[in-house]
Amino acid sequence: GDSVTQMEGPVTLSEEAFLTINCTYTATGYPSLFWYVQYPGEGLQLLLKATKADDKGSNKGFEATYRKETTSFHLEKGSVQVSDSAVYFCALSDQGATNKLIFGTGTLLAVQP
Amino acid sequence: DAGITQSPRHKVTETGTPVTLRCHQTENHRYMYWYRQDPGHGLRLIHYSYGVKDTDKGEVSDGYSVSRSKTEDFLLTLESATSSQTSVYFCAISDPEDREAFFGQGTRLTVV
Repeated sequence: GDSVTQMEGPVTLSEEAFLTINCTYTATGYPSLFWYVQYPGEGLQLLLKATKADDKGSNKGFEATYRKETTSFHLEKGSVQVSDSAVYFCALSDQGATNKLIFGTGTLLAVQP
Repeated sequence: DAGITQSPRHKVTETGTPVTLRCHQTENHRYMYWYRQDPGHGLRLIHYSYGVKDTDKGEVSDGYSVSRSKTEDFLLTLESATSSQTSVYFCAISDPEDREAFFGQGTRLTVV
């Protein structure tokens, strides 16, 4: 079945460092891909999405490009801030009619001042 | 923020007791979901609904049942709670035209 694999955390960075969180997926066909973010004590919020190959999703300085040839959707940010500290989840949406999401295990990002 | 309210937000219950979690939406979205979040597993789908009285099982449905008698409410019931059901439970909603899902704030359930 479909699955998502993302890099283990925690990832600890200094403020203004470059961030990459790797995400790869296994799916038959062409799923939509997402990054969700979870701040402490809160629910998940959509950070960005891409619905077809070569699409680039971007939001709040974060970017990810849907790479069909490498089945990847890596999250990047050029300069992280302390306020970016959170858990990041990569997910894909199944291609059926019900938008079910399949999540990776999450990556904890800790940004130090 | 999408209008999704989960209740209760926190609950401690004893093994063997029944528990019902409620998800209420004000967005009139057709699809509703229950996920559980556990360390090392991310979020896993328990059950979902694609319309009033239309529900189906997800990846980890054993020990759970759901009901949806009206568009805005989706109930998750643990018939006889076990310690393995200690988790954080999230409700989510989405519409057929938009792949994006909106999540509630979560319910932290502890089974002792």
